Amino acid sequence: DIQLAQSPSFLSASVGDRVTITCRASQGISSDLAWYQQKPGKAPKLLIYAASTLQSGVPSRFSGSGSGTEFTLTISSLQPEDFATYYCQQVNSYPLTFGGGTKVEIK
Amino acid sequence: QVQLVESGGGVVQPGRSLRLSCAASGFTFRDYAIYWVRQAPGKGLEWVAVIGYDGSNKYYADAVKGRFTISRDNSNNTLYLQMISLRAEDTAVYYCARRRIGDRAYMDVWGKGTTVTVSS
Repeated sequence: DIQLAQSPSFLSASVGDRVTITCRASQGISSDLAWYQQKPGKAPKLLIYAASTLQSGVPSRFSGSGSGTEFTLTISSLQPEDFATYYCQQVNSYPLTFGGGTKVEIK
Repeated sequence: QVQLVESGGGVVQPGRSLRLSCAASGFTFRDYAIYWVRQAPGKGLEWVAVIGYDGSNKYYADAVKGRFTISRDNSNNTLYLQMISLRAEDTAVYYCARRRIGDRAYMDVWGKGTTVTVSS
């Protein structure tokens, strides 16, 4: 199984900050990676797929990069509605796996 | 609008069974593969199962293989998850999610989830 290690697991930031979350895969997965946002009590929401493609309707302050084993999600200017937990997911092979999550909280 | 609505969750004793449903609307259900994903209380996301658009291909996580069965009724736009021999570790919110059109298994539409609690 492909393991995904997210870092940090917790992040405290202020509105307007630039935030970067990293996801490392245990083996190469090309660009077969997605990022999801989840708010408390809500379902996850697809933000980015194919490592760097923004899902329709997602604000452009979100961006993704990387390939192979190292990936990043960047929020260029954190907004109040961005405080949530973020998960990476690999879709290179079954079983599909998710990272452990990064909780972004208000400083 | 495009929507998935789960139902069928509840409190069940260990060893018992439960069937979850996921009703789809707003899109052509028979054109899409669909997933079940679960989230234990305070934990991360865990993929459970997937079924192809026509029901011919099914894959399961090792944790549920042999105990859970995914199926679909394209005439009624409904997905199912039959769960038997339930264990405490199956306690979670269960989401159904649509596979985005394309050659990779991204999940672009999610339901709100249904809660399963396995407890004596």
